[in-house]
Amino acid sequence: GNSVTQMEGPVTLSEEAFLTINCTYTATGYPSLFWYVQYPGEGLQLLLKATKADDKGSNKGFEATYRKETTSFHLEKGSVQVSDSAVYFCALVTGGFKTIFGAGTRLFVKA
Amino acid sequence: DAGVIQSPRHEVTEMGQEVTLRCKPISGHNSLFWYRQTMMRGLELLIYFNNNVPIDDSGMPEDRFSAKMPNASFSTLKIQPSEPRDSAVYFCASSLAVAGETQYFGPGTRLLVL
Repeated sequence: GNSVTQMEGPVTLSEEAFLTINCTYTATGYPSLFWYVQYPGEGLQLLLKATKADDKGSNKGFEATYRKETTSFHLEKGSVQVSDSAVYFCALVTGGFKTIFGAGTRLFVKA
Repeated sequence: DAGVIQSPRHEVTEMGQEVTLRCKPISGHNSLFWYRQTMMRGLELLIYFNNNVPIDDSGMPEDRFSAKMPNASFSTLKIQPSEPRDSAVYFCASSLAVAGETQYFGPGTRLLVL
């Protein structure tokens, strides 16, 4: 079946450090891939997405590249800020309307 | 534009009481999803609708939970009777029923069952 596996957290970084959150997936067909972010006390919101192999999604300094050969969609940011502290969810959609979410990775950024 | 609207934002109730959570999706969206989020179990899909019809309710934990979508602009999730283990944040999300489309989440209802 379809599934998403992302690195366990929490991830703790100092401000301006480089961020990588790993995400790999298993899916039939050609899924669309997403990163959602959840700030404290809020619902999830889309951070970026990619709909086909080799596409790069980007937003707010975050990037992720759809790698079909390694079935991965790792999230990166070159210099994190305290305001990036949140929970990050990798997700996929294939075929129908249902989104499969990973377990989420909590990020803490220290000043 | 208004996003997904959920009410109430917070609910405290006693075990055995009926709880009704409400959701208004984004206008024009034809898929609606109910999720539950807890520290222990993470984010769980309970049920989703397409064009007001329930498509997959396999995530509904038991018969105490029911969901309806009487029209395109309103959905309810009901728990009767409620139990302390139902305490969680319940999210509603909506999207266009197009492959690869983004889901838009509401702010959630934080439910505490005493």
